[in-house]
Amino acid sequence: AQRVTQPEKLLSVFKGAPVELKCNYSYSGSPELFWYVQYSRQRLQLLLRHISRESIKGFTADLNKGETSFHLKKPFAQEEDSAMYYCALIDNQGGKLIFGQGTELSVKP
Amino acid sequence: EAGVAQSPRYKIIEKRQSVAFWCNPISGHATLYWYQQILGQGPKLLIQFQNNGVVDDSQLPKDRFSAERLKGVDSTLKIQPAKLEDSAVYLCASSLGGTLGTQYFGPGTRLTVL
Repeated sequence: AQRVTQPEKLLSVFKGAPVELKCNYSYSGSPELFWYVQYSRQRLQLLLRHISRESIKGFTADLNKGETSFHLKKPFAQEEDSAMYYCALIDNQGGKLIFGQGTELSVKP
Repeated sequence: EAGVAQSPRYKIIEKRQSVAFWCNPISGHATLYWYQQILGQGPKLLIQFQNNGVVDDSQLPKDRFSAERLKGVDSTLKIQPAKLEDSAVYLCASSLGGTLGTQYFGPGTRLTVL
């Protein structure tokens, strides 16, 4: 079954500390993975996608097929990074997104 | 460009009542999605349209939920009758099309069923 797991509901760090939000997936075939972010009172928006191999707002994520993981990382957290982060994979049969439960990141001053 | 629009933003109803949500996707986007997000969980797809045809409604509780996308543009999602467990945020998203197209989300409608 296709599934995305984010083991941490809440991650709290201090400004300037490194951040790693964990994401593991279960998928048969080659997955396409995404990180979506929802800032307070804003809509859900795409942060980055694995296929693009880009860094957005200092965040990167590497697909590790051996560990079936797609962890989101940032070397130095900023207060404005505080938000809900959702890992998702796309069902290549139809295109629907399958989301994890989400991790709330809180960056303290 | 204008984003995905949804209305109403909030709705409170009693169980067994009916409710309808409206979504206007980004102009030109062929694919439209309705997701249900229960508190503390990630969004879950209810139904996906490609133009005005249904692509996936496997997780739509069809005994009480219905959706339509007339003329391949706007869409409405209806619940009749509502149950307590339908309390959630209902998100509409749209994309240009194709399985890897970026999905753009609306602000959502927060439904509370009392």
